[in-house]
Amino acid sequence: EVQVVESGGGLVQPGRSLRLSCAASGFTFDDYAMHWVRQAPGKGLEWVSGISWNSGGTGYADSVKGRFTISRDNAKNSLYLQMNSLRAEDTAFYYCAKDNHPYYYDSSAYWDYWGQGTLVTVSS
Amino acid sequence: QSVLTQPPSASGTPGQRVTISCSGSSSNIGSNYVSWYQQLPGTAPKLLIYRNNQRPSGVPDRFSGSKSGTSASLAISGLRSEDEADYYCAAWDDSLSGWVFGGGTKLTVL
Repeated sequence: EVQVVESGGGLVQPGRSLRLSCAASGFTFDDYAMHWVRQAPGKGLEWVSGISWNSGGTGYADSVKGRFTISRDNAKNSLYLQMNSLRAEDTAFYYCAKDNHPYYYDSSAYWDYWGQGTLVTVSS
Repeated sequence: QSVLTQPPSASGTPGQRVTISCSGSSSNIGSNYVSWYQQLPGTAPKLLIYRNNQRPSGVPDRFSGSKSGTSASLAISGLRSEDEADYYCAAWDDSLSGWVFGGGTKLTVL
């Protein structure tokens, strides 16, 4: 059974950092790109970042470019999101999503499995 | 303001057919595939339609997708109470070099 499980969320002050993790199981992790998608409370979905199967390519939404860094460890079947210089507008549920293609920028791709999300609250 | 435009709400009675639109531009829907996601209250999104009109295994054939030009649509026939959820469209945007979503449509089954 395919599973992706996020962790690392919590309450953090503006300007501080936080690192999210996503543990994957039930599929060959290094065959697929992975993504982070977020959802502010009561709002819609927003793509945050994606990474190709071999970490050879990464992409970011303009809203987080320069502050967030996506990475993966294929030996540990894990995906990460390092979030620096956090702002109140970064408050959201962060979902880890499995791509069905190896490259995050493949326009024919889609997200076939999602985690339950981890809540990040940025507040003083 | 989302790059893809969806109506904020839609509604129908049990058994009816409803459609949800998703409007974009030549840099996203006009040149790339569209996928749709269903988000039931309090849960994570779930893949509903991929590559414009393909259904993953397990998704009932009451759900169908289509695309024409720079717009896409999700149709739900034989509406059921359990279809009450938020629905999102998504596509790759060549100009932004990133993935974009619609703002979401809240479907109410009356």
